[in-house]
Amino acid sequence: AQTVTQSQPEMSVQEAETVTLSCTYDTSESDYYLFWYKQPPSRQMILVIRQEAYKQQNATENRFSVNFQKAAKSFSLKISDSQLGDAAMYFCAYYGGATNKLIFGTGTLLAVQP
Amino acid sequence: GAVVSQHPSWVICKSGTSVKIECRSLDFQATTMFWYRQFPKQSLMLMATSNEGSKATYEQGVEKDKFLINHASLTLSTLTVTSAHPEDSSFYICSAGVYNEQFFGPGTRLTVL
Repeated sequence: AQTVTQSQPEMSVQEAETVTLSCTYDTSESDYYLFWYKQPPSRQMILVIRQEAYKQQNATENRFSVNFQKAAKSFSLKISDSQLGDAAMYFCAYYGGATNKLIFGTGTLLAVQP
Repeated sequence: GAVVSQHPSWVICKSGTSVKIECRSLDFQATTMFWYRQFPKQSLMLMATSNEGSKATYEQGVEKDKFLINHASLTLSTLTVTSAHPEDSSFYICSAGVYNEQFFGPGTRLTVL
């Protein structure tokens, strides 16, 4: 069965600094998708970034980028120039065709210090 | 685009009553809709998956007779919590799926007194 692990329950970063959130997963599938979602205090789930497993190039979205290591089954999120609005719970998620559903990690609560 | 609404955003009810939560995809048709439950400071727990016109598929441990899901159209799914009890109090989130991507509703906070 597929699993997603986020080993950092909480992280803190200074405003304007860079932070990296870790995520590892386990799967036997070769074709799948990985996502990072942000859940601010409003609790609305917001897609931050997605990565297709067949793409070797790491996805980037403005200040957000990922380090996708397929062989190591690692999918970390880097937030550059952190802003106060980045403070939220971040969930790593996996989607594969075998289950047709998202599998979430336990989340990392990110605090941004002014 | 890809907006999903939920109604109501919050509801308070008495123990023993039933509560219906609606999930609508406003500007697209979703092949599949998902219902999640989330406890404070925890991850999303998938309750069930529903496809339009067919019965929902419930995750292990979820009582299908307590959490009734109806997927009447490609843009509307409803979750009815029947005979609600205080332990059903939680945050319920729906999402609408198009292929490998899901778009989430804003959630519904249910409080059962």
